[in-house]
Amino acid sequence: SQTIHQWPATLVQPVGSPLSLECTVEGTSNPNLYWYRQAAGRGLQLLFYSVGIGQISSEVPQNLSASRPQDRQFILSSKKLLLSDSGFYLCAWSPPRDRGIYGYTFGSGTRLTVV
Amino acid sequence: AQSVTQLGSHVSVSEGALVLLRCNYSSSVPPYLFWYVQYPNQGLQLLLKYTSAATLVKGINGFEAEFKKSETSFHLTKPSAHMSDAAEYFCAVSESKGGGTSYGKLTFGQGTILTVHP
Repeated sequence: SQTIHQWPATLVQPVGSPLSLECTVEGTSNPNLYWYRQAAGRGLQLLFYSVGIGQISSEVPQNLSASRPQDRQFILSSKKLLLSDSGFYLCAWSPPRDRGIYGYTFGSGTRLTVV
Repeated sequence: AQSVTQLGSHVSVSEGALVLLRCNYSSSVPPYLFWYVQYPNQGLQLLLKYTSAATLVKGINGFEAEFKKSETSFHLTKPSAHMSDAAEYFCAVSESKGGGTSYGKLTFGQGTILTVHP
């Protein structure tokens, strides 16, 4: 069966520090991968998605970047964190070539607090 | 582009009462529709989904939803609320995309926080 791992669960970082959040999926090949952010009262915001290694699409301009160095690994990064980067970050995956019928499977999330 | 509107950011019910969470969608093609539940500081969990088979869909934890094309709705219901149902609920619609690298992009509503009173 497929599983998705996301870490760390919580993170407190000072303003201006770098960030690296990691997400890995097991039990499938070439998944579609997604990074979402939840800020208080703002619902789910899609940040990045990837349909393959090295293929990253950004949904909103921001202080963050994403990379997919391996088939089942998705990394969210920042060189210098801002206070506004605080939030709950969720990684998700869906089957390759899915035409929308399967939905997403989410990781357990990372609570990031920038101080 | 497809969109989802969840009516009511907060819904409060008594334990044992009917739960009704409203979702309306906009789509130019037949949609796939989903309900997810999120407990505090956890990821989203799929409750149920509509994929053009039966219009009444049953999910986990006693929830069900009915697809009504004429009303462009996919409301979530549960006959009797339990304290453990307190969570945030998200409705989502898929945005199918054709081509060799097609994928199904989900568009989420803003969420509804369900509170259950004893």
